[in-house]
Amino acid sequence: EAGVVQSPRYKIIEKKQPVAFWCNPISGHNTLYWYLQNLGQGPELLIRYENEEAVDDSQLPKDRFSAERLKGVDSTLKIQPAELGDSAVYLCASSLSPASVEQFFGPGTRLTVL
Amino acid sequence: KQEVTQIPAALSVPEGENLVLNCSFTDSAIYNLQWFRQDPGKGLTSLLLIQSSQREQTSGRLNASLDKSSGRSTLYIAASQPGDSATYLCAVISGGSNYKLTFGKGTLLTVNP
Repeated sequence: EAGVVQSPRYKIIEKKQPVAFWCNPISGHNTLYWYLQNLGQGPELLIRYENEEAVDDSQLPKDRFSAERLKGVDSTLKIQPAELGDSAVYLCASSLSPASVEQFFGPGTRLTVL
Repeated sequence: KQEVTQIPAALSVPEGENLVLNCSFTDSAIYNLQWFRQDPGKGLTSLLLIQSSQREQTSGRLNASLDKSSGRSTLYIAASQPGDSATYLCAVISGGSNYKLTFGKGTLLTVNP
C-alpha cells in the first residue's frame, strides 16, 4: 500500500514568488493535515480537512497561504507571495478519522526562499 | 494551551546501551499520545501510539509508557543500534482540541558504533 505522497520534495524560489505543494493521502483516508516544520522544531498544524471541508484552519496565515481539497482526495497548499520566513518543511499527513487512529506522514517538501 | 516538552534535547550513547527519552505535557486531558521517528530530510514515521486508557505499548525493542495524571510519557529503547540514530518526536492529541497533534521539539539521538 502506498503511503502519503508529496511533491515536489524540494523547492527553491525567490521571495515574492508563488509556490504550490501537492499531497496525495493514503487511499481511503478521509482526514488530511498540512503541517509546517521549522528547523529544530516539531511540526505545527496549518490546516485539517475532513473530506473536502476545512474544519480547522485557525493556524493558516490566510493573507498569503491557501489550501484546497476539491474532491476530498488530494490537496494543494499554496503560498503567494512567499517570504524569507516561509523557508521550512511542509508536511502532509492523513488518517482514517480525526483521532481514532494514528496519523501517517509524507516525506515533506523542503522550501527554501531566497 | 497544550505544551509538550522533550528532555533531553540531544543524547549520544554507545551502541548496545539501553536508553530513555522523556516527554511531558501540560494538559493531562489527552486523547492519545504518539511517538514518531524522523530521519534527516525525511518525514515522520509513527513508532507507537498510546490511547489515553492505556499505560504502555511495545514494538520490538521499543516500549512507550504513559502516565496521564502526571503528564508524562517515556520511550525506552533497548540495546540501541547505530540505525536508531534519528530525532524522536512526542505528540499528543488533547481532548476538545479538534484532534490537533501538538508536538514537542524532539530529542536528537546519536548511537555511536
